[in-house]
Amino acid sequence: GEDVEQSLFLSVREGDSSVINCTYTDSSSTYLYWYKQEPGAGLQLLTYIFSNMDMKQDQRLTVLLNKKDKHLSLRIADTQTGDSAIYFCAAAGGGADGLTFGKGTHLIIQP
Amino acid sequence: NAGVTQTPKFRILKIGQSMTLQCTQDMNHNYMYWYRQDPGMGLKLIYYSVGAGITDKGEVPNGYNVSRSTTEDFPLRLELAAPSQTSVYFCATGGAGVGNEQFFGPGTRLTVL
Repeated sequence: GEDVEQSLFLSVREGDSSVINCTYTDSSSTYLYWYKQEPGAGLQLLTYIFSNMDMKQDQRLTVLLNKKDKHLSLRIADTQTGDSAIYFCAAAGGGADGLTFGKGTHLIIQP
Repeated sequence: NAGVTQTPKFRILKIGQSMTLQCTQDMNHNYMYWYRQDPGMGLKLIYYSVGAGITDKGEVPNGYNVSRSTTEDFPLRLELAAPSQTSVYFCATGGAGVGNEQFFGPGTRLTVL
C-alpha cells in the first residue's frame, strides 16, 4: 500500500520561508494534500494538488510536485508565529479512498 | 453551518467497557470516515462510508464497528475497550469538492485504563 514519509521537525526564523518536504510511494495517487494541526485541535485543510500539476500557489502557500520522484513540498512564505503547528502530507487515489498520512512535521518558529 | 461535530470531546474507559463515538455533519457530504491518531503518528483509517447503508473497512478496523443509517450521522462503536485503543479519534467527510477534499471534526480523545 501507499507509504508517506516526512521529516519530523523543521525550525525556521520568523519572517523566513519554511519548506516542508514529503515523499510518497504509490504513483497512482491522484490527490495530494497538506493539512495543519494546532495543539489539541483537528486537522485543517490548507491546500491540495492534483497529480497532473507541477505547482499550485495560494497566497503565502506554494505546493510543488515532482511526480517522477514522488516528492511533494509545501513552502510557507514570510513564516509567522501563528504558523507554528504540525503539518501533515496526505495522499489519496480518488473516489471514496481514505487518505494515507505521513507522521507530520513539527514547524518550530524562532523569534 | 457547524460542519463536522464529534461528541464527546474526552472520555476515559475501563478495559472491557463499550462506548459509541458520535459524528454528525451538516455539509451534505456522501462520504464519511473514521481515523485514529496515535501519539507522534499520522492518522490511520478505521472505517468509511460512501452513503447511507454502506460501510467498508479501512486499514485498522479490528475492535470497532460502524453504521450509517442517515447521511448526517456516522457513529463508531467500541465493544470491548482495550488499552491499545487509547487514541484520538477523528471523523471526516468528503466527496463533494473538485479536489475530493476531506474535512475533519475536532476529535475525541479516548483513554482506556
